Amino acid sequence: GESVGLHLPTLSVQEGDNSIINCAYSNSASDYFIWYKQESGKGPQFIIDIRSNMDKRQGQRVTVLLNKTVKHLSLQIAATQPGDSAVYFCAEIATGTASKLTFGTGTRLQVTL
Amino acid sequence: GAGVSQSPSNKVTEKGKDVELRCDPISGHTALYWYRQSLGQGLEFLIYFQGNSAPDKSGLPSDRFSAERTGGSVSTLTIQRTQQEDSAVYLCASSRRGGNTGELFFGEGSRLTVL
Repeated sequence: GESVGLHLPTLSVQEGDNSIINCAYSNSASDYFIWYKQESGKGPQFIIDIRSNMDKRQGQRVTVLLNKTVKHLSLQIAATQPGDSAVYFCAEIATGTASKLTFGTGTRLQVTL
Repeated sequence: GAGVSQSPSNKVTEKGKDVELRCDPISGHTALYWYRQSLGQGLEFLIYFQGNSAPDKSGLPSDRFSAERTGGSVSTLTIQRTQQEDSAVYLCASSRRGGNTGELFFGEGSRLTVL
C-alpha cells in the first residue's frame, strides 16, 4: 500500500551544526506534507508544513524542502540545539479526499554537546 | 482545557480484560483522531471522526477495537478482550477541521500495558 518512510532511523548531530532529516513518500496523490516533533513521553507537535505547489518553506530555524519529482521531503534545522533532541516524523495527506494523515516511522535526532 | 486531554495516562491490565481510553479534544475542534504508537515505531492510524460524518474506521486492527464520539466532543476508544500485542501508547489528536489541515494537536497519550 502507500507509505511514508524515512531513510535514517537515528541521526547524531553536534550542537550548533545543521541537521537534515529526510523522508520519502510513495503516494503520488499526496499534496500536503507536515513535519512533527515528538519529545520523550509527549505527543507529537506540529513543526512546519508545505503544500505541493511549493518546493521550499522556512520557519524559525527550520526549513522544509519538497522534491515532488523524486517524492522526497526533508527537514533542515539550523544551529541545532539540545532541545531539538526528539523523534521527527513526516506525514502526508491527499487533501480534498477522504484520506487521513499518514505518518512515517520517524527519525531520532540526538544532539551531542 | 487548553490542550487535548487523555485519560488514563497509564493503564496496566490483564490479558482478556476490556479497557476504555478517553480523549477530551480542544473545544471547537471538529476533527478527532486516534493513533496507536508501539515502542520505537511510528503512528498507526486507528479511527477518524469529522463533525457529524460517519467515522473512518479503516485503521481499526480488529473487531475488538471500537470508538465513539459523543456530542461531537469527548471520544472513548474501547478495546475488548485485550491481547499482549495491544500494548502501546494510544494517542488522540484533534484539529479545527478535517482533511485540509495537517496541524493536529495531540494529547500526551494513554500507555496501555497488557500482561
